[in-house]
Amino acid sequence: KQEVTQIPAALSVPEGENLVLNCSFTDSAIYNLQWFRQDPGKGLTSLLLIQSSQREQTSGRLNASLDKSSGRSTLYIAASQPGDSATYLCAVKPRMGSGGGADGLTFGKGTHLIIQP
Amino acid sequence: GAGVSQSPSNKVTEKGKDVELRCDPISGHTALYWYRQSLGQGLEFLIYFQGNSAPDKSGLPSDRFSAERTGGSVSTLTIQRTQQEDSAVYLCASSSSVVSNQPQHFGDGTRLSIL
Repeated sequence: KQEVTQIPAALSVPEGENLVLNCSFTDSAIYNLQWFRQDPGKGLTSLLLIQSSQREQTSGRLNASLDKSSGRSTLYIAASQPGDSATYLCAVKPRMGSGGGADGLTFGKGTHLIIQP
Repeated sequence: GAGVSQSPSNKVTEKGKDVELRCDPISGHTALYWYRQSLGQGLEFLIYFQGNSAPDKSGLPSDRFSAERTGGSVSTLTIQRTQQEDSAVYLCASSSSVVSNQPQHFGDGTRLSIL
């Protein structure tokens, strides 16, 4: 059964710092990996999606990497801003026919990020 | 609409009652997913639809839960004889296809409270 772990569970840093959020998964038979942010009382906003054949994806100040063989992904946030404060979730989609059962995403429990002004 | 729409946004009901949650996916998205988010449990996948078909219902927590989708669009998640442990936020997502590498887009969820 796929398990996704995110470290740290919570992080508080001053505005302007660069930071890295970590995600690890136990089964490398994935179709893709997706990073989301969730604001309080809201749904999830998709940030980046990395296909299993890709190594990284970039969007603005965000860069996500994927090392499928070691079961790791990182989300790098450059020049953090107070508006980046949210919970960041990592999720993997199983490869079709990998025996995972369903095609839903398996999520980590998230990193609660606070950027201090 | 532009995004995934869920209704109601909040639902409070008494234990033992039935509830019905609705999801309206992004227009043209053939894949639709239901998840549950509980305190301390994180996000849990429940069921997905490709078109009107749900190939695998094993993620539903119990036989009190059922879901259907008609016309390849709106989906409803029904919980019968609700229990207090059903209290959670129920999230719906859609994507252009199950087999695609397109991201899943989420609604704001329905917050369900069982008294």
